Amino acid sequence: QVTLKESGPGILQPSQTLSLTCTFSGFSLSTYGMGVGWIRQPSGKGLEWLANIWWDDDKYYNPSLKNRLTISKDTSNNQAFLKITNVDTADTATYYCARIADYSGPFDYWGQGVMVTVSS
Amino acid sequence: DIQMTQSPASLSASLGETVTIECRASEDIYNGLAWYQQKPGKSPQLLIYNANSLHTGVPSRFSGSGSGTQYSLKINSLQSEDVASYFCQQYYDYPYTFGAGTKLELK
Repeated sequence: QVTLKESGPGILQPSQTLSLTCTFSGFSLSTYGMGVGWIRQPSGKGLEWLANIWWDDDKYYNPSLKNRLTISKDTSNNQAFLKITNVDTADTATYYCARIADYSGPFDYWGQGVMVTVSS
Repeated sequence: DIQMTQSPASLSASLGETVTIECRASEDIYNGLAWYQQKPGKSPQLLIYNANSLHTGVPSRFSGSGSGTQYSLKINSLQSEDVASYFCQQYYDYPYTFGAGTKLELK
C-alpha cells in the first residue's frame, strides 16, 4: 500500500525559508524509474507543479520560482524534502507530495497535503 | 511552457447524465496527459493517465480520449460521488502544467 504524508511548519514569516518533508511507504526512491514530486494549491485555486526528484537523484524545478527551490531525498528513511527560500504571502498554499511510478508517468498517489501560511 | 486550457470552468449535470470535460494543450503533448479528481478538502486522485488509461480502482464510467493537443474526460451515468473538481495535467514536458480545473455540481 502506497502512502505519502507531508509535514511542515504551518505558519512562517515573510523572507523565511520553508522546509517541507514527505514521508512515504509502499515504495522505494531507489527503484529504477521512481520519483516524487511537489505540487501546491492556494486555497480555492488551481494546482502548480514545483519540483520532481528521481531515483537517480535527477532533479527538475519549475522555472517560475526561479532559484528559490531545492528538492532532495533520504532514500534510506523513505523521505523527500523541499525547501523554498525567501517566502512571501503568495507562497501561502496547501503543499502536496506525490509519487511518480514511471519515469514518464503521472502522479499516481498523493499525500493528504499540508497547509502553509506565510504571514507577518 | 505548455499551456493547458480546460473547459468548462464549471458544469451542472443531473444524476445518470453523461458529462464531458475538455483540455487543450498549446502544443502536441503526445498523450502525456492525466486527469485528476479532487473532492473538497481532499487531495487530487488520479483517474486517467496516458490520455486514455484507467488508473487502478477507478470506476469504468470514467474514460479519457484524445491525441495531439485535444483531450477529453467523459463520465458516463453521473453518480452523486462524482461531485468534485477535475484537473488535467500534461507531463510530456517540463515544467509540468495543469488545467485551471472544472467544478462539477449536481443539477
